[in-house]
Amino acid sequence: GAVVSQHPSWVICKSGTSVKIECRSLDFQATTMFWYRQFPKQSLMLMATSNEGSKATYEQGVEKDKFLINHASLTLSTLTVTSAHPEDSSFYICSAFDRRRDEKLFFGSGTQLSVL
Amino acid sequence: SQQGEEDPQALSIQEGENATMNCSYKTSINNLQWYRQNSGRGLVHLILIRSNEREKHSGRLRVTLDTSKKSSSLLITASRAADTASYFCATADISNFGNEKLTFGTGTRLTIIP
Repeated sequence: GAVVSQHPSWVICKSGTSVKIECRSLDFQATTMFWYRQFPKQSLMLMATSNEGSKATYEQGVEKDKFLINHASLTLSTLTVTSAHPEDSSFYICSAFDRRRDEKLFFGSGTQLSVL
Repeated sequence: SQQGEEDPQALSIQEGENATMNCSYKTSINNLQWYRQNSGRGLVHLILIRSNEREKHSGRLRVTLDTSKKSSSLLITASRAADTASYFCATADISNFGNEKLTFGTGTRLTIIP
């Protein structure tokens, strides 16, 4: 099956610093990648849709200046949490869509962010 | 909220028993998918059922879809300890065809007791 690599798996940072999370599709080209946020024992909340070569589309309530998304190639999307604060602590997951492989999504393993 | 609802929120059964989870959604869909998530990990796709299908099987999994009631169920037969995980339904809204933006349900935490 298709593989999506996400790293780091976990990161601890000080309040006010920026953190970058990478999401790579290893064996397919992902025209679209999605970024989600998940709180403990809750569902996934879509933050933004990332299309290669164009600006990301953010969901209502998600600050685009806070969560910078770049999708510069068909295999890489990055999420940068800028000036992180403790309330940004969460589990962030990416997924990639490959039009050749039916309509299912392939997920990264997630990044646990803890902001001190 | 457009998020789907799943019930039960949590389910504990003995190994070998069958587990049934239900999902309800609100919009017209192209397809409905079920995913599994082990604690602290990403999601793994289990099965996809299209809006014109009523039932689908994959190994020990059986999914039904009733578009008139906007509901789906996932049945796991002969459960194993390794099936312990959270299970999410996700719907592909008919207006998002081609972009595969999914709306996830609230999830069911399944615990299989050895």
